[in-house]
Amino acid sequence: QSVLTQPPSVSAAPGQKVTISCSGSSSNIGNNYVSWYHQLPGTAPKLLIYENNKRPSGIPDRFSGSKSGTSATLGITGLQTGDEADYYCGTWDSSLSAGVFGTGTKVTVL
Amino acid sequence: EVQLVESGGGLVQPGRSLRLSCAASGFTFDDYAMHWVRQAPGKGLEWVSGINWNSNNIDYADSVKGRFTISRDNPKNSLYLQMNSLRAEDTALYYCAKDRGEQLWLQGLDYWGQGALVTVSS
Repeated sequence: QSVLTQPPSVSAAPGQKVTISCSGSSSNIGNNYVSWYHQLPGTAPKLLIYENNKRPSGIPDRFSGSKSGTSATLGITGLQTGDEADYYCGTWDSSLSAGVFGTGTKVTVL
Repeated sequence: EVQLVESGGGLVQPGRSLRLSCAASGFTFDDYAMHWVRQAPGKGLEWVSGINWNSNNIDYADSVKGRFTISRDNPKNSLYLQMNSLRAEDTALYYCAKDRGEQLWLQGLDYWGQGALVTVSS
């Protein structure tokens, strides 16, 4: 029952590009910063993108973020087998006064 | 090096209480908001609660409001989550996470602990 909707899965061959969408509303994505996380099996989530499109130090520029209106997108180029993980978007919802995460997307490298 | 270490998890009966702690090190604790995020087995991330840098602003997910209480002790570099009236659906791995900003608005959770497992079962 998350307020942010992501596709359950995306896949592509090594070296290709994938995009993951995160759809929300004006009370969350539309008026607040979006961040993106990936979670490798059995590990804690890791921040990939913050403030819509900024990368923390150490995150390669293969990862990019964008936002338009009430949707956000994570792009991964030059896909690697190590990118196989679950990916989540997150933001604040001003109406709920609560943090919200997306439903999660599993990335598979074919 | 930033470290967040959760403790206090375990097996508890429905209706009972548990208190999680998160010991922080490697950064100026009282400069940042902190959050608890949980993940039920095989499920996605769920934000539970957040507290701003000076405890003046606190919020909870509707699913835990009135049962859970977040707090922090800045001199002790520690974050807490008091969980009362626990239910089976509270069973999850509970992560402590540091925000990039001092307020609650999920500006980016840049460091996470390894999690504390809470199992609610009779």
